[in-house]
Amino acid sequence: ETGVTQTPRHLVMGMTNKKSLKCEQHLGHNAMYWYKQSAKKPLELMFVYNFKEQTENNSVPSRFSPECPNSSHLFLHLHTLQPEDSALYLCASSQSGQGPSNQPQHFGDGTRLSIL
Amino acid sequence: EDQVTQSPEALRLQEGESSSLNCSYTVSGLRGLFWYRQDPGKGPEFLFTLYSAGEEKEKERLKATLTKKESFLHITAPKPEDSATYLCAAMQTGANSKLTFGKGITLSVRP
Repeated sequence: ETGVTQTPRHLVMGMTNKKSLKCEQHLGHNAMYWYKQSAKKPLELMFVYNFKEQTENNSVPSRFSPECPNSSHLFLHLHTLQPEDSALYLCASSQSGQGPSNQPQHFGDGTRLSIL
Repeated sequence: EDQVTQSPEALRLQEGESSSLNCSYTVSGLRGLFWYRQDPGKGPEFLFTLYSAGEEKEKERLKATLTKKESFLHITAPKPEDSATYLCAAMQTGANSKLTFGKGITLSVRP
């Protein structure tokens, strides 16, 4: 049990579909993150939310749309994805103050996304 | 540009054969150096944070050390269950808690 739960664990979708990834953290943290992990590449940070406010968008295409309704939940809405978007999408959370924090991020087990 | 480089890319050890994994980083102002372990089909699991050069941390067969340019993860007398991918990540000062990750080192320990 990692304290960060992601659903679904696997998702196959066509390029014209719309789907959403969900992340929930039970650690009492107030910062949440989306990462993309592709084979042979480092983890790529996509979005950062701190106290429900988006504080980082790492030049992510608009076909990825994040939503953070509260400090415990994070969504990633997907639409008209491309085959190169197939990857493992990881959610993480950490304890943060009003400014940047050096506390470790704790990860969920990810959603394996395949675009047909 | 911030960079984190891990070497070797893959490492195969015999059970009991100690070794070290290297993580070199170039960030302007390090706020923390993080080590994670990732098993197949799982997310990264947090191991250690190192904050300043000279710092060391230990957990079972693992010991992490930090200098001004690199970090080492020493594995003493590894067991097959230590087989995993080990990731390091650097956090820069004033970087909105952003982590820059290396590509990881895949460790295989044979019985």
